[in-house]
Amino acid sequence: AQRVTQPEKLLSVFKGAPVELKCNYSYSGSPELFWYVQYSRQRLQLLLRHISRESIKGFTADLNKGETSFHLKKPFAQEEDSAMYYCALKGGTSYGKLTFGQGTILTVHP
Amino acid sequence: NAGVTQTPKFQVLKTGQSMTLQCAQDMNHNSMYWYRQDPGMGLRLIYYSASEGTTDKGEVPNGYNVSRLNKREFSLRLESAAPSQTSVYFCASSGYDRVEAFFGQGTRLTVV
Repeated sequence: AQRVTQPEKLLSVFKGAPVELKCNYSYSGSPELFWYVQYSRQRLQLLLRHISRESIKGFTADLNKGETSFHLKKPFAQEEDSAMYYCALKGGTSYGKLTFGQGTILTVHP
Repeated sequence: NAGVTQTPKFQVLKTGQSMTLQCAQDMNHNSMYWYRQDPGMGLRLIYYSASEGTTDKGEVPNGYNVSRLNKREFSLRLESAAPSQTSVYFCASSGYDRVEAFFGQGTRLTVV
C-alpha cells in the first residue's frame, strides 16, 4: 500500500520568512513524487515534480529516499504563495493514479 | 483553452436522489480520473479510466458508477445519494506519459 502524509494541516509564516511544507511517503517501489497547489478560486495544478529537479516560483523539493520525504521549501515566502498544497505520489504501474496527502494550507502574512 | 471541464459547478441533492457529474477534456488525453476532496482527507481516487473503453475502481468506489463515454468524456453517477457523499468532486486527465494530471474546476455537491 502507498501512503502520503502531510503532518501540518495549517502553516503560517510572515512575508520574507523561509517556509517548509513537510511530506513523508511510504511505497515499496520507486515512486514519483509531486507537489500540487490550489490557489483560491483556481483549479488544482502541478507545481513541481521530483524527476525534473527544477525550481518553480522559488520552490524546490528534494526526494530523500532514506527518510522517505519530499519536503517543499522556499527561502523567502511571498503573500501570493498563500494556497493549499498537496503532496502526491505515483507508483510505477499505477496508470497515472495519484495518492494525495491530506494537504497543507499555507498562509503568508504581510 | 478549456482543458478539463466539469458540470455542474454546484449541486444540492436530497438523500436518495440520483445525479450524474459530467467531465470532458479537450487535450486528447488517454487517462481520466474522478477524485473527491474532503477536509483532512486530501483527494481520494473514486474511479479511473486508463484508456477509452476501460474503467477501474479506485480507493473509494462504493456508491458510485462511471462511464467512459468516449475519449473526451468521463461521467460519474451517484445512483442514490447519501449525506456521506457531500464533497467536492474533481475530474482529471493525463496524457500518454501520465506524468502531469490536469484538473477540472471541481463540483461542490451537498446531500441533505
